[in-house]
Amino acid sequence: DAGVIQSPRHEVTEMGQEVTLRCKPISGHDYLFWYRQTMMRGLELLIYFNNNVPIDDSGMPEDRFSAKMPNASFSTLKIQPSEPRDSAVYFCASSFRDGQNTEAFFGQGTRLTVV
Amino acid sequence: LAKTTQPISMDSYEGQEVNITCSHNNIATNDYITWYQQFPSQGPRFIIQGYKTKVTNEVASLFIPADRKSSTLSLPRVSLSDTAVYYCLVGDKINNAGNMLTFGGGTRLMVKP
Repeated sequence: DAGVIQSPRHEVTEMGQEVTLRCKPISGHDYLFWYRQTMMRGLELLIYFNNNVPIDDSGMPEDRFSAKMPNASFSTLKIQPSEPRDSAVYFCASSFRDGQNTEAFFGQGTRLTVV
Repeated sequence: LAKTTQPISMDSYEGQEVNITCSHNNIATNDYITWYQQFPSQGPRFIIQGYKTKVTNEVASLFIPADRKSSTLSLPRVSLSDTAVYYCLVGDKINNAGNMLTFGGGTRLMVKP
């Protein structure tokens, strides 16, 4: 498997524009996580899914953020409208939990810059 | 939610053994301890996980005392490529996936030649 694949790797957009980040988890994994990383706040868990169902979205900062997982092989994180303070690296991770193994595999991240 | 405390940064030299200690005074009975490593411009990578006593793999060892209120990640004979941020996570790996993957501030390890 190629691992967790995120796209795009870099995104520069203007304030007010809609931004969509994409993630393809590892095949067979039943959990998917979205994170945001900044120097000031570190790695923040935004939302996670189990079997395509959102379980906890308490980390989503505002209503401008939304995430979907229409099927087991694809998830999106959308910001609308985007603001400069949304600039960060966004990571997607997936894992398969069978009671013993809980290792999460992270993608390479999407570096978002909102100007 | 068990909170973790780690040193913000550590320096070491190539070939030395590095021990990074994490405090988790409020660890619960069902909580496991997991360590991740993150290189610049990359996502975190799983290193090791344990519940009690000692766990060893090809990369590191994890020492957990009987009271489980702390844990120590041991990296034998570090090299320059071990320069990274190391995160200690504590959570219930069975019942709460999000709890299991909540990251704290991490320890920035700098290995010098």
